[in-house]
Order: sequence, then structure tokens, then C-alpha cells
Amino acid sequence: AQSVAQPEDQVNVAEGNPLTVKCTYSVSGNPYLFWYVQYPNRGLQFLLKYITGDNLVKGSYGFEAEFNKSQTSFHLKKPSALVSDSALYFCAVREYNFNKFYFGSGTKLNVKP
Amino acid sequence: GAVVSQHPSRVICKSGTSVKIECRSLDFQATTMFWYRQFPKQSLMLMATSNEGSKATYEQGVEKDKFLINHASLTLSTLTVTSAHPEDSSFYICSARVDRDTTYEQYFGPGTRLTVT
Repeated sequence: AQSVAQPEDQVNVAEGNPLTVKCTYSVSGNPYLFWYVQYPNRGLQFLLKYITGDNLVKGSYGFEAEFNKSQTSFHLKKPSALVSDSALYFCAVREYNFNKFYFGSGTKLNVKP
Repeated sequence: GAVVSQHPSRVICKSGTSVKIECRSLDFQATTMFWYRQFPKQSLMLMATSNEGSKATYEQGVEKDKFLINHASLTLSTLTVTSAHPEDSSFYICSARVDRDTTYEQYFGPGTRLTVT
């Protein structure tokens, strides 16, 4: 069965500091991995994805993520956090042959000035 | 491009009534759309896959007679919550895949907040 785990309910970081939001996955076959951000009472906005190729993926708003097959992880990172990055972040996995997305439990990112 | 809209954004209804939520792909065709439910401070749970011109595929544990899905055109899917109860109060989000798209992405609507009183 496919699943995604986000071990941290909340991540706190000071503005200007680097941030990491963790994600691990379990899926049969090759994973398609995604990160989405959600602001209050809004839908999900796409940040980045890993399908194949380079393990380091760059996405929107300065975010990047590193695919690590041996550790089955896909952590989201940003070198310098902004207060406006404060939101709820979801990691998701899509199985190769199917359209369904499976989401992690979400991590609330708090960036303090 | 690839914009998905939902209507209404918020709805309050009385217990026992039915509510219809629309999901539209504004600038692309979507044979397949998805309906998710999100409880406060929780993740998105896939409820069903909506297929244009055929019956929806429901996830295990989702009552298909309670959550009626109709995908009547390539740009519109509707979710009807029948005989709503307070426990149906939730945030409902739809998403869509672009037909013949190879990016593997889904595009999400802004969500509908349903409150059943």
C-alpha cells in the first residue's frame, strides 16, 4: 500500500533561516512525489514534483526538494524562510500506474519575524 | 492555465437537506476529476474519482448513496451531499487532471466549506 508520512505537525523557524519540512513515502514501484502548500480556507497550490531525473528538484517561490531513494524521503527545503511562507504544507505520492494521490498529514510551517 | 473553480465557496444548510457543490475546469478538459474531504487540521482524504460519462469510483468507506457524484461534461463534476448531517460539515476540495497531460499533476480547486446546522 502506498503512504506518505510527515513526522512533524509543526515546524518553527525564524525569518531568514533555512527551513526543512520532512516527508517519507512508501510505494510499490517508482514514486511520483509532490509538494503542495495550502493557505487558510484555500485549495492546494503546487510547489514542485519529482518524476524522474535529478534528485534535487527546484520549484516555486524558492523551494526545493531532494529525492532520496535509499531513505525513501522527499524533504522540502528553502535556504532562507520568509514570513509569507507560513502555511500548511502537504507531501503527496502518486503511484506509477494510477491517478490517485495520497497525501501526508500536513506540516504547519510558522516563520517568525 | 489549468484553473479549477468550485462553487459555492461556502454553504450553510440545515440537517436533512441536500447540497450540491460544483467543480469546473476553466481552461482545459478533464475526463477525470477527484473529490477530497478535509477535516480541520487534517490531511485530504480522497473520497472518489469522478469519470466523465461513467460512474464514479468511491474509496472504501465512502457512502456512494450519500455523496452523489455526476461528471456530466468534460469540464464539470458535481458532488451532492444528500440528507446532510452535522458530521458532514467539512472542507471539500476537488481536483482535475488535464486530459492527455504528461506532467502527472493535479490541479486543485479553492475548496468549499460546508456547514450543516
